[in-house]
Amino acid sequence: AQSVTQLDSQVPVFEEAPVELRCNYSSSVSVYLFWYVQYPNQGLQLLLKYLSGSTLVESINGFEAEFNKSQTSFHLRKPSVHISDTAEYFCAVSDKSGTYKYIFGTGTRLKVLA
Amino acid sequence: SQTIHQWPATLVQPVGSPLSLECTVEGTSNPNLYWYRQAAGRGLQLLFYSVGIGQISSEVPQNLSASRPQDRQFILSSKKLLLSDSGFYLCAWSLGDSQPQHFGDGTRLSIL
Repeated sequence: AQSVTQLDSQVPVFEEAPVELRCNYSSSVSVYLFWYVQYPNQGLQLLLKYLSGSTLVESINGFEAEFNKSQTSFHLRKPSVHISDTAEYFCAVSDKSGTYKYIFGTGTRLKVLA
Repeated sequence: SQTIHQWPATLVQPVGSPLSLECTVEGTSNPNLYWYRQAAGRGLQLLFYSVGIGQISSEVPQNLSASRPQDRQFILSSKKLLLSDSGFYLCAWSLGDSQPQHFGDGTRLSIL
């Protein structure tokens, strides 16, 4: 069975500071990895994804995540955050066995302080 | 382009009343469809998913059921709501396990 762990439930950080949101997963088969962002009272929006190839993936708004197979991690980073990055971030995996199921972490609430 | 519609946005229901939440997808064919419930601090709990018309997989035994009467329509139902059914319900679609999921704006359900 698969699982996703986001150890940090809340991360406060000052504006323009760097941030890292941690995600670790467990799976007996190869997986696809995703990060989603959720703003209050809205659905989730895809931030970035790792399917194959380069282990470093980037989003259009400055976030990046690196797939580390040996550590089974997919941490999300941004070198300089903005107030508008305040949101909840979810890490998710889907396996390659064709079950069509996605497993989500419990989320990390990023609060950017002025 | 593809869009997903989920309604209503908010709903207040008494305990014991029935429930019907609807989700429709436009601009794609034969999507995989999903219902999630989101509780504070607990992430997204997969309730049901469907890979085709009439095909429903239930992940968590509970007071809810799902149906897919048409290719791009997914309905979440209950005959009698419980207090524990309160939460934020999200519908999503995808085209395969290597593809991201696309979410609706959710329904906030409050049970009184």
